[in-house]
Amino acid sequence: AQSVTQPDIHITVSEGASLELRCNYSYGATPYLFWYVQSPGQGLQLLLKYFSGDTLVQGIKGFEAEFKRSQSSFNLRKPSVHWSDAAEYFCAVAPSGAGSYQLTFGKGTKLSVIP
Amino acid sequence: EAQVTQNPRYLITVTGKKLTVTCSQNMNHEYMSWYRQDPGLGLRQIYYSMNVEVTDKGDVPEGYKVSRKEKRNFPLILESPSPNQTSLYFCASAFLRDSSPNTEAFFGQGTRLTVV
Repeated sequence: AQSVTQPDIHITVSEGASLELRCNYSYGATPYLFWYVQSPGQGLQLLLKYFSGDTLVQGIKGFEAEFKRSQSSFNLRKPSVHWSDAAEYFCAVAPSGAGSYQLTFGKGTKLSVIP
Repeated sequence: EAQVTQNPRYLITVTGKKLTVTCSQNMNHEYMSWYRQDPGLGLRQIYYSMNVEVTDKGDVPEGYKVSRKEKRNFPLILESPSPNQTSLYFCASAFLRDSSPNTEAFFGQGTRLTVV
C-alpha cells in the first residue's frame, strides 16, 4: 500500500525567506505526486503535480517541486515566501497507470510566516 | 464555473440523528470521493466511486454510507452519527485516467460537522 510522510508538522519562516517542505513516499513504482494547499477555512487547492518527464515541476503561486526517485521524495520549494503563503500543505500520491485515482495524503505541514 | 459543491458547510447535530451531506460536481467526472480531515491525521478516504452505481470503501468507512445514483451527485450518509465522527469532510471529483494522465482532483469547500 502506498504511504506519504511529511516529517515537519509545523514550520515557521520569515517573509522573504526561502521555503522547503519535505515529502517522502512509499510505493512500489513511481506514483503520481501532488502538492495541495489549504488556507484557513478553505478547501484544498492543487499547487502542482508530477506524472512523468521533467523531474522539476512548476506550479502556481511561485511554487516548484522536485521529484527524486532515488530518495522517494517530492519536496516543495519557494524562493521567497509571502505572508499569504501561511497555510497547511499536503503532499499526496496516487497509483500510476490508467483507470484509478486513489489519493493518499500525508498528515500535512502547517506553515506560519513571520512578517 | 467548474466546481464541487458541498452542503451544508457547517452542521451541528446530536448523537444518533441521521444526516446527509450532499456533494455535487458539474464537470462530468466519473470519479468521486469523500475524505475526512482530523488534526494531525491529514485527510483519510471514507468512500469512493468510480462511476454511477459503483462505490467502494476507503480507509475509514465505518459509520458511513454513500450512494451514486447520478453521475454528478455523491451524498455521504451518517445513519447514526457519533461524537467520533466530528470532523471536517471533503468531497472530491476527478476524471478517470485513460491514455492521458494529465488530470487532477477537484475538492469542495468542506463541511464542518459537530456531533454532540
